This record gives sequence, C-alpha cells and structure tokens, in this order.
Amino acid sequence: QQQVKQSPQSLIVQKGGIPIINCAYENTAFDYFPWYQQFPGKGPALLIAIRPDVSEKKEGRFTISFNKSAKQFSLHIMDSQPGDSATYFCAASKGSGYSTLTFGKGTMLLVSP
Amino acid sequence: GAVVSQHPSWVICKSGTSVKIECRSLDFQATTMFWYRQFPKQSLMLMATSNEGSKATYEQGVEKDKFLINHASLTLSTLTVTSAHPEDSSFYICSARAGGTVNTEAFFGQGTRLTVV
Repeated sequence: QQQVKQSPQSLIVQKGGIPIINCAYENTAFDYFPWYQQFPGKGPALLIAIRPDVSEKKEGRFTISFNKSAKQFSLHIMDSQPGDSATYFCAASKGSGYSTLTFGKGTMLLVSP
Repeated sequence: GAVVSQHPSWVICKSGTSVKIECRSLDFQATTMFWYRQFPKQSLMLMATSNEGSKATYEQGVEKDKFLINHASLTLSTLTVTSAHPEDSSFYICSARAGGTVNTEAFFGQGTRLTVV
C-alpha cells in the first residue's frame, strides 16, 4: 500500500514557468511533510517542509501548499530555472524525530532554457 | 542545514568480498540513522533504521546478515555489505535525524554507488 502518492511522474516546463508537483497521503497521523531535491548521483537535499498547522509555507522560490482536509500537499517552484532540473520527492512522517519518512515515487523535472 | 557525510562516494568490489560504507553526522547528534537503497529512476527504499547503541530494525525482505548495520556512536553509523554479489550493486544512501519528541529534519548523505563485479 503506497501511503504517499506523488504526481506527475515527470514534468517539462520552460524557463520561468511554475511547475507544480502534487502529493496525497492516507495516514492522518502524518504531521511532517518535507520535500527533497535530488540530482543524479547525489543524495536528496531537503528543500522545504511543512507541518499541518499551516496551509502554506514559502522559502525563496519554493512554496508548499497544504490542504489538511483533502490530505494533499503540493510544491510550487516560482520562476523555474534550468538548474532546477532534478528529481523531487515528497515525503511524510509521523510522531517524532525517530520516525521513518514515507516517500513518494518522485517527479523528474526538466526546465528547458 | 546540517551536514551528513557519507563515504565512500563510489566503490567497486569483487564478488564475494565485503564493503563498508560510513555515515557521519558532522554537526549534530544523530540519535536515529536510516539506510536506503535506490535503484535507477526509482524512489528511496528503506532498508533499516538504527538507533544509537541498539540493534538495527530491518525492513521486511532485507537480509540482516547480509547488510550489517552498526550505530556505535551518535555521529557514526556503518553499513557493511557482506559477501557482495552483482545484484547488490546499487546506490546506497544514509540519513540522520536528531531524534526527540517532535519531528526533526532528516538530512541525507551524498550516497554511495556500489558496483560488484
């Protein structure tokens, strides 16, 4: 059973566009939702994270929108650049800093020049 | 953000030999460390969770005698792939969290590309 469903699987946008990646979760006990960026041959890097007590969080060009009732959250990348081309993973965790992260399957983003 | 250092970044070994991968948290005490395996163009697959000073908890289907995990200190965890075979070739990634009663950020190492020939 996949607990975090991520879409789309791949995405191509032009430079300056706003790619949107969506995730949906099933477990209402999840209370921490991070997004990671991964370049080929590298480990994932934390981009931004949100907790369910807020509906939106913005850090630089990256924004998370969170809809608790729908159990969905999404990543928006403003003014996307070719350097943003990477794989993005959403994740969810519950309870504490000892808990595992449940990952989505990832979205390969290509930002064309 | 916090730094997790993983070493080596790549390793080639002969079939039947053992390989050790180190994961260090450089600027925080990692109460909990996680080891993942990632196949090309796929998501991260959790192999095991280790808490400092205790035995690792392995995910279903992961052979604990083949993938030995040691988390002897709050800054170091190691994964040893014993008697490696070509099917063990993969990208292995560690992650560390500071623990505690609230969710803390999870930081990842750079990954280790293991090739068994």
